[in-house]
Amino acid sequence: SQTIHQWPATLVQPVGSPLSLECTVEGTSNPNLYWYRQAAGRGLQLLFYSVGIGQISSEVPQNLSASRPQDRQFILSSKKLLLSDSGFYLCAWSTPGLAVEQYFGPGTRLTVT
Amino acid sequence: GQNIDQPTEMTATEGAIVQINCTYQTSGFNGLFWYQQHAGEAPTFLSYNVLDGLEEKGRFSSFLSRSKGYSYLLLKELQMKDSASYLCAVRPQTNKLTFGGGTRVLVKP
Repeated sequence: SQTIHQWPATLVQPVGSPLSLECTVEGTSNPNLYWYRQAAGRGLQLLFYSVGIGQISSEVPQNLSASRPQDRQFILSSKKLLLSDSGFYLCAWSTPGLAVEQYFGPGTRLTVT
Repeated sequence: GQNIDQPTEMTATEGAIVQINCTYQTSGFNGLFWYQQHAGEAPTFLSYNVLDGLEEKGRFSSFLSRSKGYSYLLLKELQMKDSASYLCAVRPQTNKLTFGGGTRVLVKP
């Protein structure tokens, strides 16, 4: 069966510090991978998605970036965090090709102080 | 652009029925999804509609009208554990989902 992991689960970082969030998927090959952000009480905003190693599509211009160094690894980064970067970050995967539902990881709660 | 609207919050009584509406205006349509999200947790998949009509899955049903840009999620025989946010999402293109703001449902005894 497929599983998706995210870490860390929670993170408190000062403004201006760097960020690295990691997501890994097990039990599937060549998945589509996604990064979402959810502000408190709000819906999910798609940040990045990837259909393969090194292939990243950005949805929203911002100070975040994403990388996919391995088939089942997706990393979200920032060089300098802003207060507005606070939120719940969710990684998701879906079957390649005829993608149907997306499966979400447990999420990372980021607070920028 | 993409626009998905759903009510912010609804309250219902245990054992009752609640209907959560979702209207959408998107450039392209390749399916509509409903997800359940408990506070502080990841969303979990509930249902998928790509053709008009009703899809039933146990206590949950989802309806779609593509001509009206409208869907609803029906929760029957409400239980306390159904208190959660319900997210409507549309797939305009193959690889991406666009989410609404979510509807928080509070089930009271």
